[in-house]
Amino acid sequence: DGGITQSPKYLFRKEGQNVTLSCEQNLNHDAMYWYRQDPGQGLRLIYYSQIVNDFQKGDIAEGYSVSREKKESFPLTVTSAQKNPTAFYLCASSIAAWGLESGYTFGSGTRLTVV
Amino acid sequence: SQQGEEDPQALSIQEGENATMNCSYKTSINNLQWYRQNSGRGLVHLILIRSNEREKHSGRLRVTLDTSKKSSSLLITASRAADTASYFCATGRSGNTGKLIFGQGTTLQVKP
Repeated sequence: DGGITQSPKYLFRKEGQNVTLSCEQNLNHDAMYWYRQDPGQGLRLIYYSQIVNDFQKGDIAEGYSVSREKKESFPLTVTSAQKNPTAFYLCASSIAAWGLESGYTFGSGTRLTVV
Repeated sequence: SQQGEEDPQALSIQEGENATMNCSYKTSINNLQWYRQNSGRGLVHLILIRSNEREKHSGRLRVTLDTSKKSSSLLITASRAADTASYFCATGRSGNTGKLIFGQGTTLQVKP
């Protein structure tokens, strides 16, 4: 079955450490997105990529980095520059930009905690 | 800045009742989407309605869009305990980017 796989489900980061969240899709979608969700809040856009080898900053990109070397993969690195990284991170993909044809497909999320 | 604002923030009903959630937005849009999120999980796409459409149905879900009032509503009929979740509207802006912006969600509890 096609879908998006995020790993790990839970991640613990020490102060000053970089961590990478994995996102893989087998839906043949061109567009992929990373969102951050804080408790009781909506989703805020970190980075997005409309096509392989290209990506753009979203609304809260500071302290994060991404790559899009393969169509299927869009990993997110949370760097030590991100001062408040504890949150739920969601990866999504869509066949058309911004889900205009049929919406987004989301992964099941990664919960990142700073220890 | 937030585009979609859901109302109410929280809703509690009995199984079998209907649930209505509203979404208001500020700028012109080309589409509006509704998503469901079960606790601790990813979001699931429910319905997309384009700016030239007024109403769409999908099973027990009915979505309306009033572009003159910049608002949308999601109606869930004959609710079930399994409908307990958070519901988010997301608006796609008109213009070059079409960026999708999510509201803060309505938390629905359906009591058995």
